[in-house]
Amino acid sequence: DGGITQSPKYLFRKEGQNVTLSCEQNLNHDAMYWYRQDPGQGLRLIYYSQIVNDFQKGDIAEGYSVSREKKESFPLTVTSAQKNPTAFYLCASSPDTADEAFFGQGTRLTVV
Amino acid sequence: GEDVEQSLFLSVREGDSSVINCTYTDSSSTYLYWYKQEPGAGLQLLTYIFSNMDMKQDQRLTVLLNKKDKHLSLRIADTQTGDSAIYFCAEIDSNYQLIWGAGTKLIIKP
Repeated sequence: DGGITQSPKYLFRKEGQNVTLSCEQNLNHDAMYWYRQDPGQGLRLIYYSQIVNDFQKGDIAEGYSVSREKKESFPLTVTSAQKNPTAFYLCASSPDTADEAFFGQGTRLTVV
Repeated sequence: GEDVEQSLFLSVREGDSSVINCTYTDSSSTYLYWYKQEPGAGLQLLTYIFSNMDMKQDQRLTVLLNKKDKHLSLRIADTQTGDSAIYFCAEIDSNYQLIWGAGTKLIIKP
């Protein structure tokens, strides 16, 4: 079945370590996104990519990095520079930026 | 920048109708969406409406759009326990990016 997969569902890391969250889609979508969700807040855009080998910063890109070497994959690295990394991270994709977004199930990252 | 506002909580009795409201600022918005998020899960698109429509009905869901007031609402008829979730309003802005509300948590009372 077509879909968008995030892994792992839960992730624990020690403070100061970089960690990479995986996002894969087999929907043949051009656009992919990373959002961060904190309790009582809406989704905030971290990075997005409209096409392979290209990506742009969203509203809260500091402390994060991404790559888009393949159409299917858009991994997000949470670096040690991110001051408050504990959050629920959601990856999404869409045929292009004007279309409906399809979401993965999310990764809950806890930094201790 | 553009903004989308929603109340954070709504509590209704099982069997009643739920009405979740949303206001937005971008008058050039072409599409407006309602997404549902169940606990610990990603978001699922519930329904959407084009900006040239006033109303859209889909089974128990009714979306109303008042472009003049920039107000969008989602009505869920005969609310069930399975409707418990966070409901997000979103719009496409003039840069073709999604702008999200903070989400409304729908609480169902027996």
